[in-house]
Amino acid sequence: LAKTTQPISMDSYEGQEVNITCSHNNIATNDYITWYQQFPSQGPRFIIQGYKTKVTNEVASLFIPADRKSSTLSLPRVSLSDTAVYYCLVGVPPSGGSYIPTFGRGTSLIVHP
Amino acid sequence: NAGVTQTPKFQVLKTGQSMTLQCAQDMNHEYMSWYRQDPGMGLRLIHYSVGAGITDQGEVPNGYNVSRSTTEDFPLRLLSAAPSQTSVYFCASSSRYDRLGHQPQHFGDGTRLSIL
Repeated sequence: LAKTTQPISMDSYEGQEVNITCSHNNIATNDYITWYQQFPSQGPRFIIQGYKTKVTNEVASLFIPADRKSSTLSLPRVSLSDTAVYYCLVGVPPSGGSYIPTFGRGTSLIVHP
Repeated sequence: NAGVTQTPKFQVLKTGQSMTLQCAQDMNHEYMSWYRQDPGMGLRLIHYSVGAGITDQGEVPNGYNVSRSTTEDFPLRLLSAAPSQTSVYFCASSSRYDRLGHQPQHFGDGTRLSIL
């Protein structure tokens, strides 16, 4: 299983763009990169998933370089409500075989007024 | 849709007691899993299931049992509760793919369990 490394914590201010980078040097050919967001007292919530290059949705963008050994979650113009823990996961999506999603400790993002 | 429902939300047990944490999903998802979350540890996978009648161990399975008799339900049993099992437990489910080709896990709101 590919191990991921993320910063433990980050601080930002309202209106700024936040980029959280995840390292996954041992990513396998079939692995996808998935990001989740977790608010206090809630379960994690899916944000975005990608395999290569760039993926964008209404919440965030995910940048994956050609070697796929890292990825960057970009949150545009954060607000106080973006204060949460962000997890980067690497693995093969469920396909009938074994799939053990591994959550690391995540990155605690605090957005200040 | 209710999504993933976990009961109870809070529970206090004495060492040695047994109990079952309930998890139900109404999205007809094939995959279901149980995680525990301890302070500073992220989420660790306990057991998971890829379909009714099929279960497998995750990273920290000791002290827990699961069964999957229906697609909807995936209960987690603590056989003999120990203080080390004090944690927040999350149940999650997912399908093979959504319409965009993603496989997001849908989580419940958790069960906060204290073992005295």
